[in-house]
Amino acid sequence: DIQMTQSPSSLSASVGERVTITCRTSQTIYNYLNWYQHKPGKAPKLLIYRASNLYVGVPSRFSGSGSGTDFTLTINSLQPEDFATYYCQLSYSSPFTFGPGSKVDIK
Amino acid sequence: QIQLQESGPGLVKPSETLSLTCTVTSGSGSGDNDYWNWIRQPPGKGLEWIAYIQDSGSTNYNPSLKSRVTISVDMSKKEFSLKVNSVTAADTAVYYCARGAYGDFDSWGQGTLVTVSS
Repeated sequence: DIQMTQSPSSLSASVGERVTITCRTSQTIYNYLNWYQHKPGKAPKLLIYRASNLYVGVPSRFSGSGSGTDFTLTINSLQPEDFATYYCQLSYSSPFTFGPGSKVDIK
Repeated sequence: QIQLQESGPGLVKPSETLSLTCTVTSGSGSGDNDYWNWIRQPPGKGLEWIAYIQDSGSTNYNPSLKSRVTISVDMSKKEFSLKVNSVTAADTAVYYCARGAYGDFDSWGQGTLVTVSS
């Protein structure tokens, strides 16, 4: 199976800051990488699909980049509603593994 | 926008079978392009994809659970189901159903907590 890592595992940031989260895979997955936002007690939400495509209704302050084995999720101008845990997930092949998550909390 | 809702017992005894159903409560799928998935999150841990099934009945399972899991679908009733056999405390988790294209999960249920305990 393809292994996935995320960094950082957690970070503290202030409203208005730019936040960057990295996801790495153990072998190439081309651009088959999704990003989700997950808040406690809520369903995860798809933010980015195929590495860089903004899902419908997602604010433009979210962006994704990367291909191959290295991917990045960027949140420009962090908003209060963005404090959550973010997961990357490979869609290249089954099993559709999720990364371990990156928790963004308030500084 | 499609909406999904999980249902099933919140408490299951060790060695018994966990059974959950996901109902499409609003909207509808797009047919053969839909993959109906189950995903879980143990307390304090990350997300784990369990399995998918298509309207045609084609299935795919996570090898880590394949020997104990069965997924089924009945879209005439707008529902699909999950069974996990021989459960242990390690199967305690919030279970989510989700729909999407292959490997993508664009619509999720709210999740249901299943606790395995005697």
